[in-house]
Order: sequence, then C-alpha cells, then structure tokens
Amino acid sequence: SQTIHQWPATLVQPVGSPLSLECTVEGTSNPNLYWYRQAAGRGLQLLFYSVGIGQISSEVPQNLSASRPQDRQFILSSKKLLLSDSGFYLCAWSVLISFGQGNEQYFGPGTRLTVT
Amino acid sequence: AQSVAQPEDQVNVAEGNPLTVKCTYSVSGNPYLFWYVQYPNRGLQFLLKYITGDNLVKGSYGFEAEFNKSQTSFHLKKPSALVSDSALYFCAVRARGNTPLVFGKGTRLSVIA
Repeated sequence: SQTIHQWPATLVQPVGSPLSLECTVEGTSNPNLYWYRQAAGRGLQLLFYSVGIGQISSEVPQNLSASRPQDRQFILSSKKLLLSDSGFYLCAWSVLISFGQGNEQYFGPGTRLTVT
Repeated sequence: AQSVAQPEDQVNVAEGNPLTVKCTYSVSGNPYLFWYVQYPNRGLQFLLKYITGDNLVKGSYGFEAEFNKSQTSFHLKKPSALVSDSALYFCAVRARGNTPLVFGKGTRLSVIA
C-alpha cells in the first residue's frame, strides 16, 4: 500500500530564517505531487505541484520554492521566512493522471509551521 | 476556470439526525467531484468521489453524496449523524486533464449529543 510522510510535524522558526519541509511517498511510482498551505484551519491554497522530476508548477508567487530531486520526494523551501508564512503545510500525491481519469489526491499528516 | 463553493461556514446538527453539507461547482465540461474530511491537526482524508454513472455515490463512514448536473451541486449527506463526524469538510473539483484538485473553503460540521 502507499504511504506519504511529512517532516517535521511541527516547526517554530524566527522571521528571516530558512525553511525546508520534506515529503516522501512510498509504494507508488511517478506520482503527481502537491504542496498546499492551510491558514487558520480553513481553506487550502495550492502552492506547487509536480508531474515529474524537476517539473514544478508554481501557483502563487511568493518567497517559497519547491523542488523534486527524486521521483517520490518533494521539498518545500524558503530562504527567508515571513510572519505570513505561518500555517499548516500539507503534501499530497495522486497517481499520474491520464486524460479522462479522476483520481483522488492523498494527503500527508501535515507540518505546523509557526514563524515568530 | 473551475471553482467550488461551500456556502455554509458552519453546520450544526443533533446526533442521530440527518446531515447535509452543501457544495456547488463551476467547471467546463464534465467534472470529477470529491469530498474530504479533516480532523484537527490532521491531513485530509478522502471520503468519496463522483466520476460518472449513478448520481448517488456512497463512501466511507456511511457518507454519501448526490451529483445533480442541472443544479451543479454535489451535496454530502449522512442519514444519521454521529458526534465523531464533527470535523471540517471539503468539497473539491477537477475538470478533465492532469490538473490539481480545486478545493472549497470548507464547512465545519458540529454534531451535538
């Protein structure tokens, strides 16, 4: 079966410090990978998604970046954190979608980031 | 562009009563529709989806959803609510193609004993 891991689970970082959140998926190959941010326990904001190694689509221009160095690894980074970067960060995966298929996304447990 | 609306921020229901969480969508062509549930400080869990076929879709934990093309709706339902159903519920849509799901803003369900 497939599993998705995120770490760390919680993180407290000062403003201006760097960030690296990691997500890995097990039990599947060539997944689509996604990073979402959830503020204040409500709506989900899609940040990045990737359909393959080195292929990253950015949905929201900001001080965050994403990389996919390996097939099942997705990393969210920042060089300098802002207070507004605080939130709950969720990684998700889905099978590579062929035209006409509706595959669900599976979410990791999330990382709670507090920028102080 | 595709979008999802969840018109209620909060739904309160008594335990044992039926519950409905509303969702409407906007998408070009035929949609793929999804419901997820989120418990506090947890990731989202997939409940059910509509792709094609029967308009009534059954999912996990006794939930079901009814697809209504004419009203562009996909409401989540359960015949008898449990206190443990209290959580945040998200509706999502994807048009055909290799695109991420688009989520609604979520509806907080509170089931009162």
